[in-house]
Amino acid sequence: DQQVKQNSPSLSVQEGRISILNCDYTNSMFDYFLWYKKYPAEGPTFLISISSIKDKNEDGRFTVFLNKSAKHLSLHIVPSQPGDSAVYFCAASAHSGNTPLVFGKGTRLSVIA
Amino acid sequence: DAGITQSPRHKVTETGTPVTLRCHQTENHRYMYWYRQDPGHGLRLIHYSYGVKDTDKGEVSDGYSVSRSKTEDFLLTLESATSSQTSVYFCAISRLAGVSEETQYFGPGTRLLVL
Repeated sequence: DQQVKQNSPSLSVQEGRISILNCDYTNSMFDYFLWYKKYPAEGPTFLISISSIKDKNEDGRFTVFLNKSAKHLSLHIVPSQPGDSAVYFCAASAHSGNTPLVFGKGTRLSVIA
Repeated sequence: DAGITQSPRHKVTETGTPVTLRCHQTENHRYMYWYRQDPGHGLRLIHYSYGVKDTDKGEVSDGYSVSRSKTEDFLLTLESATSSQTSVYFCAISRLAGVSEETQYFGPGTRLLVL
């Protein structure tokens, strides 16, 4: 049973517009959530995280929103740039990060110039 | 840069042969992890380590063993490789990303093909 779900395998967005990537989770014990970005032939790169005591975390063009009651989080990228084209993985853990991460299957974002 | 290297970066081997992948870190982190990435599956945990000689199994540990005899090295061994172990393998370490939250950082990966 998938504990972390990214239901959209792919997403296309025009340059300059907002990209919204979604993630749902089922395990109530998860209290730390992360987004990773992955280019082909490279390792995943940490992008942004949020702990369950917050509902929003922002870092430049990237904002993560957490809705605990819905067990849903989303990553907003604004404005989207062609260099943002990559696969984005949502991940979750219990107890803030040292506990092994559970990953979603990823969403491939294509930003079209 | 989390100071993680993986070797080899690419390997082709035959079914039934043993294979060892190495993960090396330079920052003395306690926690290390091995994941595999396959199309349609995201990343899945194979084994992890929380200190020298301290390891535990992950979601997909069957057919794999690990060893950690020193802090900087975490080895993943396929005792007898099978075609289902064709994958990209990522090592990760855990370190502080902010004030109090540990975050995992990944190495560049090893692409393994088992024929």
